[in-house]
Amino acid sequence: GAVVSQHPSWVICKSGTSVKIECRSLDFQATTMFWYRQFPKQSLMLMATSNEGSKATYEQGVEKDKFLINHASLTLSTLTVTSAHPEDSSFYICSAKAQGADTGELFFGEGSRLTVL
Amino acid sequence: GQNIDQPTEMTATEGAIVQINCTYQTSGFNGLFWYQQHAGEAPTFLSYNVLDGLEEKGRFSSFLSRSKGYSYLLLKELQMKDSASYLCAVWDSNYQLIWGAGTKLIIKP
Repeated sequence: GAVVSQHPSWVICKSGTSVKIECRSLDFQATTMFWYRQFPKQSLMLMATSNEGSKATYEQGVEKDKFLINHASLTLSTLTVTSAHPEDSSFYICSAKAQGADTGELFFGEGSRLTVL
Repeated sequence: GQNIDQPTEMTATEGAIVQINCTYQTSGFNGLFWYQQHAGEAPTFLSYNVLDGLEEKGRFSSFLSRSKGYSYLLLKELQMKDSASYLCAVWDSNYQLIWGAGTKLIIKP
């Protein structure tokens, strides 16, 4: 099946620094990628929808200047958490929809656990 | 508003059968998904229903009734590895995926 790779899996950073998370579709082209955040014992919360070559669409309440999303190619989207604070500590997951796919199935990355000290 | 309801937690015995229900109220409907998520891991796809009826896939089956806004995931011959959260998600009219909060399934020996 289709594979989505997310990197890094774990990251610890100091408050005020920026962290970049990469999401790659390894064996298919993804025109659309989704970024989610999941706090402990809660469901996935969609942060933004990333379309290749255009600006991301952010969900209500998500600061676009804090969570920078770049989808420069059909196989790579990045999420940069700028000036991270402890409340940004969470599990960040990306997913991708294969180009031309009609079932809507999403392929998920492994997730990135961010801890801000 | 859009809403998906599923039980928070369920407990079942190894070897038994369990049914996880999901009801939804969304602006339009283009399909319903079930995903499995083990603790600390990303979700994995289980099933997709867009027409009414039962879809069987090995030990797992998923049912949909669009008129009732209702779906269930049926797990047979439960194994310890089935302990996970099960997420119900609906594709609305704008093809936005609306997620339920998930049902944590605990399997006991």
